[in-house]
Amino acid sequence: NAGVTQTPKFRILKIGQSMTLQCAQDMNHNYMYWYRQDPGMGLKLIYYSVGAGITDKGEVPNGYNVSRSTTEDFPLRLELAAPSQTSVYFCASSYSGQGGHEQYFGPGTRLTVT
Amino acid sequence: AQKITQTQPGMFVQEKEAVTLDCTYDTSDPSYGLFWYKQPSSGEMIFLIYQGSYDQQNATEGRYSLNFQKARKSANLVISASQLGDSAMYFCAMREGGNDYKLSFGAGTTVTVRA
Repeated sequence: NAGVTQTPKFRILKIGQSMTLQCAQDMNHNYMYWYRQDPGMGLKLIYYSVGAGITDKGEVPNGYNVSRSTTEDFPLRLELAAPSQTSVYFCASSYSGQGGHEQYFGPGTRLTVT
Repeated sequence: AQKITQTQPGMFVQEKEAVTLDCTYDTSDPSYGLFWYKQPSSGEMIFLIYQGSYDQQNATEGRYSLNFQKARKSANLVISASQLGDSAMYFCAMREGGNDYKLSFGAGTTVTVRA
């Protein structure tokens, strides 16, 4: 199992550009999440999905969009990039939301907007 | 209001000694779970230990144990016999009941193990 994979690992965007961060998991997990981590801070939830075709906003959704057409993939779209979106983005997945089922994280994408 | 509070931004510990990382949480939900994750300098998030709100005993996983004090709403992580490889950022996180299954993270504590 590759687990949770994310591409790209690094990206520099100019203000106003758009891009899609890719996330895929091969563990057949229903639940998937996108977080951002600003320097020296904890993770904040951007969007999450409890299954294919179902997405919902997290704590900091403004400036982002997601889709979940398959169980495996959960891309995050940035429209009109702003310097405030400079961050490390983590995708995660979990088998269930109950009990001790932990979230498995991808390696992260480091994004700089200048 | 902050759901997870980690008051120690950074800690130093001598190799082979134990270290306790503080975590307090705020929830009115009777059903919740508490997680600890490790983030080494390479950046990945590594799951360490889980404690459910209804668990009667404190969770343990190898050198990691969780000191769960429900009435005080604290879930401190204890790392015993520290190793140089334990140097990392440690995050406490909480998942509340319901269908959201979302994790709320604290700001983290940086641990540096000295030889």
